[in-house]
Amino acid sequence: DTGVSQDPRHKITKRGQNVTFRCDPISEHNRLYWYRQTLGQGPEFLTYFQNEAQLEKSRLLSDRFSAERPKGSFSTLEIQRTEQGDSAMYLCASSSTGDEKLFFGSGTQLSVL
Amino acid sequence: DAKTTQPTSMDCAEGRAANLPCNHSTISGNEYVYWYRQIHSQGPQYIIHGLKNNETNEMASLIITEDRKSSTLILPHATLRDTAVYYCIVSPALGSARQLTFGSGTQLTVLP
Repeated sequence: DTGVSQDPRHKITKRGQNVTFRCDPISEHNRLYWYRQTLGQGPEFLTYFQNEAQLEKSRLLSDRFSAERPKGSFSTLEIQRTEQGDSAMYLCASSSTGDEKLFFGSGTQLSVL
Repeated sequence: DAKTTQPTSMDCAEGRAANLPCNHSTISGNEYVYWYRQIHSQGPQYIIHGLKNNETNEMASLIITEDRKSSTLILPHATLRDTAVYYCIVSPALGSARQLTFGSGTQLTVLP
C-alpha cells in the first residue's frame, strides 16, 4: 500500500492555459474521487469514478473541466482555459467497494496568474 | 444547508484528552457519522465512523448520543501532531452516497 499519489504537487500557470493533473490511486481500489479545496474551506466534491465509469459529477465541474479514468486505474483531471478562480488545491481520493474509508492524496496546488 | 455544526476552533493541552463536539440534529436513520482530519498541506485522513453505537479504534473514540443528534470525537492523549482541522460529516454509506460533503471543520490546536 503505497498510498494515493498525485502529480504534480504544485502547478503555476497563466490564465488561459490548459493544465492536467494525474492521480494514481491505491492499486486495489476501484473507486476514485476528485475534490477541490480553497483556502479556509473544506474539500468540495467534483467527480466520482467506479472503475472506468464516471458515475457522478458536481455542478462545480464546468465545461472547462474534464476527468478520465481510461483503464480503471490512474485518473487525469484537465482544466482548459484556466481562470484565476480555478486556483485551489485539487485532491484525489480512492476507496474500495464495501470500505467506508476514503484515502486521500496530498493534492496538487494550482495557482493561476 | 449545513448538516453538521462544529466549533470553529479549540485548544487542548498536550497529553490531555481532546473532545471535539459535532451537532447533526437532522441526521437520517441511514446516515453515518464520519470524522476526518487534515493536517496542514496534506490531504484529509480518515479517523473513524459510526452509525449508532460508540466506536473505538487506534486513533480515537466516537461517542454518538442515543438520539443520534450529536456526537463527540475523543483523542485520548493529544500530541502536537494532532494539531489539524477536524471534519465531522454525516452521510449515507459511500456505496450509495458516492461522495462526502465536508464543512469547514474545527481547527484543533494542541498546546505544549
